Amino acid sequence: DAKTTQPTSMDCAEGRAANLPCNHSTISGNEYVYWYRQIHSQGPQYIIHGLKNNETNEMASLIITEDRKSSTLILPHATLRDTAVYYCIVGAGGTSYGKLTFGQGTILTVHP
Amino acid sequence: NAGVTQTPKFRILKIGQSMTLQCTQDMNHNYMYWYRQDPGMGLKLIYYSVGAGITDKGEVPNGYNVSRSTTEDFPLRLELAAPSQTSVYFCASSAQSGANVLTFGAGSRLTVL
Repeated sequence: DAKTTQPTSMDCAEGRAANLPCNHSTISGNEYVYWYRQIHSQGPQYIIHGLKNNETNEMASLIITEDRKSSTLILPHATLRDTAVYYCIVGAGGTSYGKLTFGQGTILTVHP
Repeated sequence: NAGVTQTPKFRILKIGQSMTLQCTQDMNHNYMYWYRQDPGMGLKLIYYSVGAGITDKGEVPNGYNVSRSTTEDFPLRLELAAPSQTSVYFCASSAQSGANVLTFGAGSRLTVL
C-alpha cells in the first residue's frame, strides 16, 4: 500500500474551516484515499473516502488533486469536539482485506 | 445497533499469564481485524480474517493467536503475556465489497506487569 505524509500537528480556531493536507505521491490507480480520526484514545472513526472525485458527506469534504498525489480533508466549521488525531490512509478496496496502514497522523487542536 | 463490541475494556496481567480479548460484531461483516496501538503511535495490524474459518497474519502477529468460528466473533488470544504486549487493542470489521470502510470497537487496554 502507498504511504502517506501528513503534518505532525495543526491548529484551528473554533468555527473556522480546518484544512488537513496529505501527500500520497505513490498511490496506485486502484487505491482509495481514506480519512479516519481518533479522539482521545477511542477507537478510530471513519470520516470519508474517495477514489478520484471530490467527496462530501455530513462530516467533511475530501478534495483530491487531479494527479491523485495529494488530498485535503476539510472540516467546514471546526468545533472543540473535532480535536483529534486525523489519519490519512491509502489502500485498495474490496479484496485488499482491509490492510489499512495507520501512520502517525495529524494532531488537530481546535481552540476557542 | 451495537456495531463492534470488545471486552474487557481494561485488564492487568502478570508476565506469563494468558488471556483472550473478545470481539463481536452485529453488522454481518465478513472481514474482521485486530490492531494494537502503543502510546503515541499509529495502529499496527496483528491478525485479520476474511470470513469464518479463515485467518491470516498481519504486521505484528508474534505472541498472538486468533480463531474465527463464526461471522460475528473474532477473539484474540495471548498465550504467554510479556511487557511488550502492553498496549491498547482495537478490533474492527468491514464489509466485503467496495471500499474498505472499517468500523472499530472502543478498545481494550492491556497492561502486562
